[in-house]
Amino acid sequence: DTGVSQDPRHKITKRGQNVTFRCDPISEHNRLYWYRQTLGQGPEFLTYFQNEAQLEKSRLLSDRFSAERPKGSFSTLEIQRTEQGDSAMYLCASSLAGYSGANVLTFGAGSRLTVL
Amino acid sequence: ILNVEQSPQSLHVQEGDSTNFTCSFPSSNFYALHWYRWETAKSPEALFVMTLNGDEKKKGRISATLNTKEGYSYLYIKGSQPEDSATYLCAFFNAGGTSYGKLTFGQGTILTVHP
Repeated sequence: DTGVSQDPRHKITKRGQNVTFRCDPISEHNRLYWYRQTLGQGPEFLTYFQNEAQLEKSRLLSDRFSAERPKGSFSTLEIQRTEQGDSAMYLCASSLAGYSGANVLTFGAGSRLTVL
Repeated sequence: ILNVEQSPQSLHVQEGDSTNFTCSFPSSNFYALHWYRWETAKSPEALFVMTLNGDEKKKGRISATLNTKEGYSYLYIKGSQPEDSATYLCAFFNAGGTSYGKLTFGQGTILTVHP
């Protein structure tokens, strides 16, 4: 297993366009998380899945953001009608589930979005 | 909304110096505290996970302590090397409430070690 993969690594788009990011987690991990990181801030939670079920979505996330994890494998994060404020690093992470906050997250290298 | 605070925001030290930084988190509903290191152009990498009050963890020159009653954790680096330059993130896992199930991160401490 090569770890958590994210694609694309960099995306430059014009305001108003739609973008989609993909994350391939570690195969035996059933939890998958999306975080967003902007300059000077720590990673901010967006949403997470256990298998194919989306268990939580941040209240800060507008309805322009949608995430899916079909069949509990890879996940996609789509941003519709992008705005300049969406410019950020989008991080995906996976972990084993279970009633344990002690399971470490394995992160991908992130997808950096620039909205012009 | 949970508040996880890290200090200082950035730190510049000379090679060979020892350094430490702080992570503060809510002392109620504690379940776990994570430390991650994030080097430029790489993925954040787990350093430690601590769950018990008084826990001390060590990995080479890096160690961490945990005080869940007062809500803080310290990360220590002994004899800093240029390759230790990175952003160090702490993250809190809440045992209940609306934040259950996910890690809440601090803003990070950016460490630069000068040769």
